[in-house]
Amino acid sequence: KQEVTQIPAALSVPEGENLVLNCSFTDSAIYNLQWFRQDPGKGLTSLLLIQSSQREQTSGRLNASLDKSSGRSTLYIAASQPGDSATYLCAVRGAGSYQLTFGKGTKLSVIP
Amino acid sequence: ETGVTQTPRHLVMGMTNKKSLKCEQHLGHNAMYWYKQSAKKPLELMFVYSLEERVENNSVPSRFSPECPNSSHLFLHLHTLQPEDSALYLCASSQEGWEEQYFGPGTRLTVT
Repeated sequence: KQEVTQIPAALSVPEGENLVLNCSFTDSAIYNLQWFRQDPGKGLTSLLLIQSSQREQTSGRLNASLDKSSGRSTLYIAASQPGDSATYLCAVRGAGSYQLTFGKGTKLSVIP
Repeated sequence: ETGVTQTPRHLVMGMTNKKSLKCEQHLGHNAMYWYKQSAKKPLELMFVYSLEERVENNSVPSRFSPECPNSSHLFLHLHTLQPEDSALYLCASSQEGWEEQYFGPGTRLTVT
C-alpha cells in the first residue's frame, strides 16, 4: 500500500526566502506526482504535475523535482511571498490506478 | 461557471436526514472523483467514475451513495450519517482518469 510522507508538517519563513518542501513515497511504481496548494477551508489548486518519466517541472517561482527510484520529490519556492502562505500537498498516482494517494501536507507561513 | 463547482458549500444535517451533494465540471473531462478530507488525516479517495461508470470504490460505507448521470455531473447521496462523517467533501475531475486532477471548492459537512 502506497504511503506518502511530507516533511516538515509546518514551516515558517521570512518573506523573500527560498524554501524547499519534501515529499517521499514508499512504492516507486508511480504514474505521476502532483503538487497542490490548499488555502484554509478551500479546495485544492493544482500547482505542478510531473510524469514518472520526467525529472522536474517549473512554473514561475515554483520548481518540482522527482526522483522515482528513491521515492522522493521536492517543491522549491523561490523568493517567497506572504501570498504563498497555505498548505502544500503532494499526491502520487500509482501505475495502473486511478487513485491519488496524498500526504498530510506542509503548512507554510511566510512572514512579511 | 468555470472549472469544478460544488453545491452546497456548507451543510448541517442530523443523523436521520437524507441529503445530496452536487458536483459539476465545465472542463470537458470524462473522469470524476469524490474525496473526503477529515481533520488531521490525508485526503481519502471515496469513489471514481470514468465515462459514467464507477471504476473504484474504496471500502466506503453504504450510507454514502454516489451517482454519475453524465460526464459533467456527480452526486453524493447521504443518509443516516454519523458524527464522524463530518468533513470537507471534495469533488475532482480529470481527462482520461490518468491526467491532472482539478478540484472543486468542497462542501463542509457537519453531522449533528
